[in-house]
Amino acid sequence: NAGVTQTPKFQVLKTGQSMTLQCAQDMNHEYMSWYRQDPGMGLRLIHYSVGAGITDQGEVPNGYNVSRSTTEDFPLRLLSAAPSQTSVYFCASSYRRAGNTIYFGEGSWLTVV
Amino acid sequence: KNEVEQSPQNLTAQEGEFITINCSYSVGISALHWLQQHPGGGIVSLFMLSSGKKKHGRLIATINIQEKHSSLHITASHPRDSAVYICALPNFGNEKLTFGTGTRLTIIP
Repeated sequence: NAGVTQTPKFQVLKTGQSMTLQCAQDMNHEYMSWYRQDPGMGLRLIHYSVGAGITDQGEVPNGYNVSRSTTEDFPLRLLSAAPSQTSVYFCASSYRRAGNTIYFGEGSWLTVV
Repeated sequence: KNEVEQSPQNLTAQEGEFITINCSYSVGISALHWLQQHPGGGIVSLFMLSSGKKKHGRLIATINIQEKHSSLHITASHPRDSAVYICALPNFGNEKLTFGTGTRLTIIP
Protein backbone atom coordinates (compact mmCIF):
# COMPACT_ATOMS: atom_id res chain seq x y z
CA ASN A 1 0.00 0.00 0.00
CA ALA A 2 1.24 3.48 -0.82
CA GLY A 3 -0.96 5.06 1.87
CA VAL A 4 -1.71 8.74 1.27
CA THR A 5 0.17 10.32 -1.64
CA GLN A 6 0.42 14.07 -2.09
CA THR A 7 1.87 15.95 -5.03
CA PRO A 8 3.70 18.19 -5.57
CA LYS A 9 5.98 18.26 -2.55
CA PHE A 10 7.23 21.79 -3.28
CA GLN A 11 5.68 24.56 -5.36
CA VAL A 12 6.28 28.26 -5.88
CA LEU A 13 3.39 30.27 -7.28
CA LYS A 14 2.95 33.85 -8.29
CA THR A 15 0.10 35.84 -6.80
CA GLY A 16 -3.06 35.27 -8.80
CA GLN A 17 -2.02 31.93 -10.26
CA SER A 18 -4.14 28.86 -9.72
CA MET A 19 -2.99 25.35 -9.00
CA THR A 20 -4.17 21.98 -7.73
CA LEU A 21 -2.64 19.94 -4.94
CA GLN A 22 -3.27 16.28 -5.58
CA CYS A 23 -4.11 13.75 -2.89
CA ALA A 24 -4.74 10.05 -3.40
CA GLN A 25 -5.19 7.15 -0.99
CA ASP A 26 -5.31 3.44 -1.73
CA MET A 27 -6.84 2.26 1.55
CA ASN A 28 -10.50 2.63 0.51
CA HIS A 29 -11.00 5.27 3.17
CA GLU A 30 -14.29 7.12 3.25
CA TYR A 31 -12.95 10.20 5.05
CA MET A 32 -10.42 12.56 3.50
CA SER A 33 -9.39 16.03 4.57
CA TRP A 34 -7.01 18.88 3.85
CA TYR A 35 -5.15 20.91 6.45
CA ARG A 36 -2.75 23.80 6.42
CA GLN A 37 -0.01 24.18 8.97
CA ASP A 38 1.37 27.59 9.83
CA PRO A 39 3.98 28.46 12.48
CA GLY A 40 2.35 28.98 15.87
CA MET A 41 -1.12 28.14 14.56
CA GLY A 42 -1.16 24.37 14.52
CA LEU A 43 -3.00 22.42 11.86
CA ARG A 44 -6.25 23.87 10.60
CA LEU A 45 -8.92 22.11 8.60
CA ILE A 46 -9.59 23.54 5.13
CA HIS A 47 -12.11 21.11 3.62
CA TYR A 48 -13.15 17.55 4.27
CA SER A 49 -15.13 14.77 2.63
CA VAL A 50 -17.00 11.86 4.22
CA GLY A 51 -17.38 10.00 0.94
CA ALA A 52 -17.40 10.31 -2.83
CA GLY A 53 -19.58 13.19 -3.94
CA ILE A 54 -19.75 14.75 -0.46
CA THR A 55 -17.56 17.66 0.65
CA ASP A 56 -17.84 20.31 3.32
CA GLN A 57 -15.97 23.30 4.63
CA GLY A 58 -13.62 23.29 7.54
CA GLU A 59 -12.20 26.11 9.59
CA VAL A 60 -10.36 28.04 6.83
CA PRO A 61 -12.03 27.28 3.46
CA ASN A 62 -11.79 30.68 1.76
CA GLY A 63 -9.68 30.66 -1.41
CA TYR A 64 -9.79 26.88 -1.74
CA ASN A 65 -12.02 24.50 -3.65
CA VAL A 66 -12.34 20.71 -3.45
CA SER A 67 -14.18 17.90 -5.16
CA ARG A 68 -14.47 14.17 -4.47
CA SER A 69 -15.46 12.35 -7.63
CA THR A 70 -13.87 9.06 -6.53
CA THR A 71 -13.14 7.42 -3.18
CA GLU A 72 -9.39 7.54 -3.89
CA ASP A 73 -8.83 11.17 -4.89
CA PHE A 74 -9.39 14.47 -3.11
CA PRO A 75 -7.70 17.37 -4.93
CA LEU A 76 -7.39 20.83 -3.40
CA ARG A 77 -7.58 23.78 -5.77
CA LEU A 78 -6.20 27.23 -5.07
CA LEU A 79 -8.33 29.50 -7.21
CA SER A 80 -6.21 32.66 -7.19
CA ALA A 81 -3.14 32.27 -5.01
CA ALA A 82 -2.35 34.91 -2.39
CA PRO A 83 0.76 35.31 -0.21
CA SER A 84 -1.43 34.45 2.81
CA GLN A 85 -1.76 30.95 1.36
CA THR A 86 1.95 30.31 1.78
CA SER A 87 1.90 27.30 4.06
CA VAL A 88 2.48 23.59 4.38
CA TYR A 89 -0.51 21.56 3.28
CA PHE A 90 -1.35 18.08 4.49
CA CYS A 91 -3.89 15.67 3.14
CA ALA A 92 -5.21 12.95 5.44
CA SER A 93 -7.60 10.04 5.34
CA SER A 94 -9.25 7.61 7.72
CA TYR A 95 -11.51 4.61 7.40
CA ARG A 96 -14.64 6.27 8.71
CA ARG A 97 -14.66 9.88 9.85
CA ALA A 98 -12.14 11.49 12.17
CA GLY A 99 -12.75 9.09 15.07
CA ASN A 100 -10.55 6.45 13.48
CA THR A 101 -6.79 6.32 12.98
CA ILE A 102 -5.74 9.14 10.69
CA TYR A 103 -3.15 8.68 7.92
CA PHE A 104 -1.36 11.76 6.64
CA GLY A 105 0.41 12.49 3.39
CA GLU A 106 3.98 13.79 3.48
CA GLY A 107 2.98 17.40 3.00
CA SER A 108 3.18 19.99 0.25
CA TRP A 109 5.28 23.12 0.81
CA LEU A 110 3.67 26.01 -1.05
CA THR A 111 5.15 29.49 -1.41
CA VAL A 112 3.17 32.30 -3.02
CA VAL A 113 5.25 35.29 -4.08
CA LYS B 1 -15.55 24.71 19.30
CA ASN B 2 -13.31 22.57 21.43
CA GLU B 3 -10.42 24.51 22.94
CA VAL B 4 -7.27 22.40 23.05
CA GLU B 5 -4.25 23.26 25.18
CA GLN B 6 -0.98 21.41 25.15
CA SER B 7 1.81 21.78 27.67
CA PRO B 8 4.62 22.36 27.70
CA GLN B 9 5.13 24.12 24.38
CA ASN B 10 8.80 23.24 24.37
CA LEU B 11 10.64 20.55 26.31
CA THR B 12 14.33 19.74 26.35
CA ALA B 13 15.54 16.69 28.24
CA GLN B 14 18.54 14.42 28.56
CA GLU B 15 18.57 11.03 26.93
CA GLY B 16 17.00 8.43 29.21
CA GLU B 17 14.64 10.80 31.00
CA PHE B 18 10.92 10.09 31.44
CA ILE B 19 8.88 12.53 29.37
CA THR B 20 5.31 13.70 29.92
CA ILE B 21 3.32 15.84 27.48
CA ASN B 22 -0.15 17.02 28.41
CA CYS B 23 -3.30 17.83 26.46
CA SER B 24 -6.39 19.44 27.97
CA TYR B 25 -9.63 20.20 26.20
CA SER B 26 -12.87 22.00 26.98
CA VAL B 27 -15.64 19.86 25.43
CA GLY B 28 -16.30 16.17 25.97
CA ILE B 29 -15.09 13.93 23.16
CA SER B 30 -15.35 10.36 21.95
CA ALA B 31 -11.67 9.87 21.14
CA LEU B 32 -8.35 11.66 21.06
CA HIS B 33 -5.39 11.35 18.71
CA TRP B 34 -1.70 11.71 19.48
CA LEU B 35 0.44 12.54 16.45
CA GLN B 36 4.19 12.84 15.90
CA GLN B 37 5.88 15.16 13.42
CA HIS B 38 9.64 15.06 12.86
CA PRO B 39 11.37 18.26 11.65
CA GLY B 40 10.57 18.89 8.01
CA GLY B 41 8.69 15.64 7.93
CA GLY B 42 5.27 14.21 7.68
CA ILE B 43 2.80 13.45 10.44
CA VAL B 44 2.37 10.00 11.92
CA SER B 45 -0.46 8.79 14.11
CA LEU B 46 0.84 7.36 17.38
CA PHE B 47 -2.36 6.60 19.24
CA MET B 48 -6.09 6.98 19.04
CA LEU B 49 -7.74 6.37 22.38
CA SER B 50 -11.17 6.82 23.88
CA SER B 51 -10.54 5.61 27.43
CA GLY B 52 -7.89 4.33 29.78
CA LYS B 53 -4.40 3.72 28.55
CA LYS B 54 -2.56 2.45 25.48
CA LYS B 55 1.08 1.39 25.17
CA HIS B 56 3.30 0.98 22.15
CA GLY B 57 6.93 0.28 22.83
CA ARG B 58 8.28 3.13 24.98
CA LEU B 59 5.22 5.29 24.39
CA ILE B 60 2.22 5.35 26.69
CA ALA B 61 -0.92 7.41 26.23
CA THR B 62 -3.57 7.92 28.88
CA ILE B 63 -6.87 9.72 28.85
CA ASN B 64 -9.22 10.84 31.63
CA ILE B 65 -12.55 11.59 30.03
CA GLN B 66 -14.06 13.10 33.20
CA GLU B 67 -11.16 15.52 33.68
CA LYS B 68 -10.89 16.23 29.91
CA HIS B 69 -7.18 15.51 29.95
CA SER B 70 -4.75 13.23 28.17
CA SER B 71 -1.05 12.60 28.61
CA LEU B 72 1.63 11.13 26.39
CA HIS B 73 4.57 9.56 28.19
CA ILE B 74 7.89 8.48 26.75
CA THR B 75 10.05 6.16 28.83
CA ALA B 76 13.83 5.93 28.38
CA SER B 77 13.79 8.85 25.93
CA HIS B 78 16.17 8.78 22.98
CA PRO B 79 17.38 11.50 20.59
CA ARG B 80 15.26 9.95 17.84
CA ASP B 81 12.19 10.87 19.92
CA SER B 82 12.95 14.53 19.14
CA ALA B 83 9.88 15.74 17.29
CA VAL B 84 6.72 17.78 17.68
CA TYR B 85 3.91 15.93 19.42
CA ILE B 86 0.37 17.01 18.65
CA CYS B 87 -2.95 16.05 20.18
CA ALA B 88 -6.09 16.23 18.05
CA LEU B 89 -9.75 15.90 18.92
CA PRO B 90 -12.69 15.06 16.66
CA ASN B 91 -15.88 17.05 17.00
CA PHE B 92 -19.15 15.46 18.08
CA GLY B 93 -19.94 14.11 14.61
CA ASN B 94 -16.36 12.93 14.05
CA GLU B 95 -16.20 15.07 10.94
CA LYS B 96 -13.59 17.60 11.97
CA LEU B 97 -10.41 17.55 13.96
CA THR B 98 -9.19 20.32 16.24
CA PHE B 99 -5.47 20.29 16.88
CA GLY B 100 -3.29 21.47 19.70
CA THR B 101 -0.38 23.70 18.73
CA GLY B 102 2.07 20.94 19.57
CA THR B 103 4.89 20.27 22.00
CA ARG B 104 8.40 20.49 20.58
CA LEU B 105 10.52 17.82 22.28
CA THR B 106 14.30 17.80 22.06
CA ILE B 107 16.27 14.93 23.58
CA ILE B 108 19.95 15.65 24.12
CA PRO B 109 22.40 12.71 23.97
